[in-house]
Amino acid sequence: EDKVVQSPLSLVVHEGDTVTLNCSYEVTNFRSLLWYKQEKKAPTFLFMLTSSGIEKKSGRLSSILDKKELFSILNITATQTGDSAIYLCAVRALYGKLTFGQGTILTVHP
Amino acid sequence: EPEVTQTPSHQVTQMGQEVILRCVPISNHLYFYWYRQILGQKVEFLVSFYNNEISEKSEIFDDQFSVERPDGSNFTLKIRSTKLEDSAMYFCASSEGGQFTGELFFGEGSRLTVL
Repeated sequence: EDKVVQSPLSLVVHEGDTVTLNCSYEVTNFRSLLWYKQEKKAPTFLFMLTSSGIEKKSGRLSSILDKKELFSILNITATQTGDSAIYLCAVRALYGKLTFGQGTILTVHP
Repeated sequence: EPEVTQTPSHQVTQMGQEVILRCVPISNHLYFYWYRQILGQKVEFLVSFYNNEISEKSEIFDDQFSVERPDGSNFTLKIRSTKLEDSAMYFCASSEGGQFTGELFFGEGSRLTVL
């Protein structure tokens, strides 16, 4: 059975801190790993990673994949209160099915 | 920006009733999905749909559930004889490609409450 595990489950930081969120996986027929941000309702797309060692960046967020060790990290630098959300890691297999982790709840205090 | 739209945003139903949740995927996307999230739990895959047929389904997606693309734009999830444990947020998603290309874009969700 496909499995995605995220850590930590929750994290409380202050504005300006840097955070690292972890995602490890065991998936048959791996195609890609995706990070989503979930605030109130729909998960919104952040990154899709398919190759090891290539960092993807978007502003203060960055992510990298290690296909040998089967994990990914999501970094957020200079956190802001607007970064408070649940961060979901999902792994995509054959036919596009996503298997989600349980999420990391990030709370950023002013 | 194109988006996936879902209706209704919230539906309350009595146990045993049938519900239909509707989705309009992004227009040039070819792959469609339903996921659900029970309150406080993981987002779970239900079914993927391509070329007018189911590509893959999870063990949650039993005979109680069915999907349809009735008119080339809508993508529906029908839940027959609803149970209390069907209460969840149901997300529709679409992608341009299947296994190799494109991220999944999610709709805002339809919250189903079964009483």
